[in-house]
Amino acid sequence: GAVVSQHPSRVICKSGTSVKIECRSLDFQATTMFWYRQFPKQSLMLMATSNEGSKATYEQGVEKDKFLINHASLTLSTLTVTSAHPEDSSFYICSVQTFSSYGYTFGSGTRLTVV
Amino acid sequence: ELKVEQNPLFLSMQEGKNYTIYCNYSTTSDRLYWYRQDPGKSLESLFVLLSNGAVKQEGRLMASLDTKARLSTLHITAAVHDLSATYFCAVDGTTSGAGSYQLTFGKGTKLSVIP
Repeated sequence: GAVVSQHPSRVICKSGTSVKIECRSLDFQATTMFWYRQFPKQSLMLMATSNEGSKATYEQGVEKDKFLINHASLTLSTLTVTSAHPEDSSFYICSVQTFSSYGYTFGSGTRLTVV
Repeated sequence: ELKVEQNPLFLSMQEGKNYTIYCNYSTTSDRLYWYRQDPGKSLESLFVLLSNGAVKQEGRLMASLDTKARLSTLHITAAVHDLSATYFCAVDGTTSGAGSYQLTFGKGTKLSVIP
């Protein structure tokens, strides 16, 4: 199955700064990647669908200017949290759909803490 | 709007006992997924159910899918402590009629197996 690498696994940043999270598909060309956010003791909520070579599709209520997504190649999508605030502290997870098996492979996640 | 309801949300059971987690969803879909999440970790794929009547088993876990009833079950047989985790079901579908496919997750079932 697909292998998805996500970095960093953990990041602490100061309020007002920006943080970039990378999601790489190591052995699979992914035209589409998905970004999720998970608050403590809650389920995963889809933030946006990242499309290679085009603009990301954001879910209702997700600020496009705050969560910048770039999917410049078939193996890399990045999520940048701009002007981070403590309420952005969460677990961010990317995923790739592997069409051969209809499965989804998830990255290892990034724990963001904004202080 | 696609809704996925999972119950129970919390389950405490003794080792050796059997139990079933239920996952109901609100739209027609032939693809249902079960994932396991350990604390602080990302999702681990357990089962992909692709058709009505599909049944899959791995160790003490067995998953089934009834697309007509829009119901999937995850049955735990003779639970052991190592099965303690949060289990999520997710359905592959479009949240709007013309939208692309995406996963919608249930709220998760936190399973605690007591020795």
